[in-house]
Amino acid sequence: KQEVTQIPAALSVPEGENLVLNCSFTDSAIYNLQWFRQDPGKGLTSLLLIQSSQREQTSGRLNASLDKSSGRSTLYIAASQPGDSATYLCAVRRGNQGGKLIFGQGTELSVKP
Amino acid sequence: NAGVTQTPKFQVLKTGQSMTLQCAQDMNHNSMYWYRQDPGMGLRLIYYSASEGTTDKGEVPNGYNVSRLNKREFSLRLESAAPSQTSVYFCASSEGVPDTQYFGPGTRLTVL
Repeated sequence: KQEVTQIPAALSVPEGENLVLNCSFTDSAIYNLQWFRQDPGKGLTSLLLIQSSQREQTSGRLNASLDKSSGRSTLYIAASQPGDSATYLCAVRRGNQGGKLIFGQGTELSVKP
Repeated sequence: NAGVTQTPKFQVLKTGQSMTLQCAQDMNHNSMYWYRQDPGMGLRLIYYSASEGTTDKGEVPNGYNVSRLNKREFSLRLESAAPSQTSVYFCASSEGVPDTQYFGPGTRLTVL
């Protein structure tokens, strides 16, 4: 059974710091991995999607990497800003399960001015 | 282009009451999903629909039914609500490659 873990559950950093959020999964047979952002009381916004054949994806100050063999993904945020404060979730799509996603429980990020 | 919309935003039910959560998307996506989000449990898939007229169970389908009436709309019904169904419910849709899922704003349901 696929399990997705995100550590730490919460992270507080000063503005301007570069940071890394971690996601690990137990079954390497994934189709893709997505990183989402969730603001309090809101829905999820997709940030980056990495296909299983890719090693990384970049969007602005965000860079996500994928290492299937070790069951790990990281989300790197450069030059963090208070507006980056949110909960970040990773989710994996299983290869033979249609569009079903298995989510981690998220990392709550707080960027202090 | 509204994306994924959900109604209602908030709802309070008494145990045993029934209700239907509505979801619609205007992105012409084939696949649609219902998730619930609970503290400490993360998001879990309740049901999904790969295309109009088809539905399939997810991780936690007990106590729920769904209807994919057309390509745009996917509804979730609670026939006899229970306090364990107190949660935040999210609808999502996706299409083909890369199959990014787009989420609605959620429905916050409390069952007393």
